[in-house]
Amino acid sequence: DGGITQSPKYLFRKEGQNVTLSCEQNLNHDAMYWYRQDPGQGLRLIYYSQIVNDFQKGDIAEGYSVSREKKESFPLTVTSAQKNPTAFYLCASSIRAGTYEQYFGPGTRLTVT
Amino acid sequence: DQQVKQNSPSLSVQEGRISILNCDYTNSMFDYFLWYKKYPAEGPTFLISISSIKDKNEDGRFTVFLNKSAKHLSLHIVPSQPGDSAVYFCAAANAGNNRKLIWGLGTSLGVNP
Repeated sequence: DGGITQSPKYLFRKEGQNVTLSCEQNLNHDAMYWYRQDPGQGLRLIYYSQIVNDFQKGDIAEGYSVSREKKESFPLTVTSAQKNPTAFYLCASSIRAGTYEQYFGPGTRLTVT
Repeated sequence: DQQVKQNSPSLSVQEGRISILNCDYTNSMFDYFLWYKKYPAEGPTFLISISSIKDKNEDGRFTVFLNKSAKHLSLHIVPSQPGDSAVYFCAAANAGNNRKLIWGLGTSLGVNP
C-alpha cells in the first residue's frame, strides 16, 4: 500500500527547542517537498529535493533545515530561529523532478508555546 | 503579490447541482494548472490538471476549463455531492521555475443535502 507518511499527527514543543518532522514515502518518487499552511492561507514551499543528497530552498526556508540521505525520507527540522513555527506542515512527493503532480502526506500540526 | 487568485473564499451549492470554482492568474508563463481538494487536518488530494495547450480536461464528474486570454480557469463539479464539501486549491506552475507549484488561497465548498 504505497503512500506518504508523516509522523506524528500532532506535535507540541516549547519555544527555543528544535523539532524534527518525519516524512517517508514508498512510492519510489524522486522529488520531495515540504510546505507550510497557515489558517486562511495557501501552501507555501519551504524546501524541496529533486534527488537524493540534493535540496533547494523554497520561498520561506529561513529557520528550517532538511536532509535527503535516502530516497524514501525527507525530514524537516524546525529550528529555534523560526519566528512563527506553529503551523500545519505538509510533505509531498512527485515521480520525478520534471513532474507537476505532487502527492501529499496527511500533515503534522506543530504547536510551539 | 498573489500570482494565483481564488476570489471566492466560500461557495455553497445544493446536492445534485453544478459547483463552479474559479481561479485567476497573473503570470502568463504558467503552462500547467492543477486542482486539489483538501479536508480539514488532512493533506491535499490531487483532483485534475490541465496543460496550457488545452482548453478543457474532463475526469468523471470533474471538468477543468482554461481560458488563457482571460488568464482564468474554472473547475466544474457535476453533479455535486455532500462528500465534495472541502477546500479546493488551484495551483499553477511553469517549466522555467523548476515546475514549483504556486498556490491560491482556496475556496471552501459546501454541498447541502
